[in-house]
Amino acid sequence: DARVTQTPRHKVTEMGQEVTMRCQPILGHNTVFWYRQTMMQGLELLAYFRNRAPLDDSGMPKDRFSAEMPDATLATLKIQPSEPRDSAVYFCASGLGSGGPYNEQFFGPGTRLTVL
Amino acid sequence: RKEVEQDPGPFNVPEGATVAFNCTYSNSASQSFFWYRQDCRKEPKLLMSVYSSGNEDGRFTAQLNRASQYISLLIRDSKLSDSATYLCVVNLTDSWGKLQFGAGTQVVVTP
Repeated sequence: DARVTQTPRHKVTEMGQEVTMRCQPILGHNTVFWYRQTMMQGLELLAYFRNRAPLDDSGMPKDRFSAEMPDATLATLKIQPSEPRDSAVYFCASGLGSGGPYNEQFFGPGTRLTVL
Repeated sequence: RKEVEQDPGPFNVPEGATVAFNCTYSNSASQSFFWYRQDCRKEPKLLMSVYSSGNEDGRFTAQLNRASQYISLLIRDSKLSDSATYLCVVNLTDSWGKLQFGAGTQVVVTP
């Protein structure tokens, strides 16, 4: 049963510290997404990649967030320095973008981040 | 104004009853539509895609009204396990799968 995996599942850190979240997409999926979910804003798209190339990171605060895909099996999201307002659940999702509009996204279990 | 708007609920539904709710979207050029389900403290999962002619999947029926820019979800014979948040999702004109999520409608099925 192929799944998206994310590490860590939970992270508590202090303001100003660097946070790195990792995602392993489903093998063979060519599109990877990073989302952030809060009670106030719901699910927000931060960035996404297709065939490891960044397509859109307009949802991401550029000054402190960065997203990369060092290889096809790993996507990372970094926050440096972290702030309390970054506290949220960060989801990674992957999909097989076929070029048509009906592409299912498969979500990982999320990283629950708390910045004190 | 948000791209996708939903009634947050909660919709409290007796077991066995029918519940229906809508969501509206602002971009008339939106290409495709979905309902995702999210259980408490879990990840979203695809419930069903929504096609122009409407479609059913067991007890779930989805409808699309392009003229009025809304989609609906109807759940028949509600089960306790249907308790969840239902996310309305719209694929904008980008065919690469960039989805816009609504904030969700909470459904609580009671015994």
